[in-house]
Amino acid sequence: DIQMTQSPSTLSASIGDRVTITCRASQTIHHWLAWYQLKPGKAPKLLIYDVSSLQGGVPSRFSGSGSGTEFTLTISSLQPDDFAIYYCQQYNHLSPWTFGQGTKVEIK
Amino acid sequence: QITLKESGPTVAKPTQTLTLTCTFSGFSLSTSGVGVGWIRQPPGKALEWLALIYWNDDKRYSPSLKSRLTITKDTSKNQVVLTMTSMDPADTGTYYCAHSDLRRCGGDCYYDHWGQGALVTVSS
Repeated sequence: DIQMTQSPSTLSASIGDRVTITCRASQTIHHWLAWYQLKPGKAPKLLIYDVSSLQGGVPSRFSGSGSGTEFTLTISSLQPDDFAIYYCQQYNHLSPWTFGQGTKVEIK
Repeated sequence: QITLKESGPTVAKPTQTLTLTCTFSGFSLSTSGVGVGWIRQPPGKALEWLALIYWNDDKRYSPSLKSRLTITKDTSKNQVVLTMTSMDPADTGTYYCAHSDLRRCGGDCYYDHWGQGALVTVSS
């Protein structure tokens, strides 16, 4: 299976900060990478798919980049609604779906 | 509008078999390319993919849990059922079902719509 390693595990930031979360795959996953946002009691939300494509309705302050084995999720200007846990996920066709360990974005 | 909702027991005893149902609307599991998967999250831990079933009855399972899982669909009821045998306290967590469509990826794909999840506690 492809292992996904996310960093950091926790990130403390203030409103308006630029935030970057990194995800590394144990082998190349080409562009088969998605990012999700999880909040307690709510349905997980797809933010980004295919590394950098923004899901409909997701604010443009979210962006994704990377290729091969290293990927990033960036929030350009952190907003109060963005405090949550973020997960990357690979969906390489030849491997079971796997997620990163998650990054908790908390208020500084 | 696609919606999914998980239902099932909130408590299970060790060694029991858990049955969870995902009831969905806004799409059909008879449409080519469509799939419904199950993902869980133990308290304080990461998401873990469990299983997925496609419109053509193709089924995928997590290799580590394959012997304990069965996924089925009832297209007429718009439901997908997941059964997990030999429940253990380590299986405690929130269980989510989610929609996927391999037409968007040309193969196994991301999950674009999720249910709110069902919390299952395994305890004697």
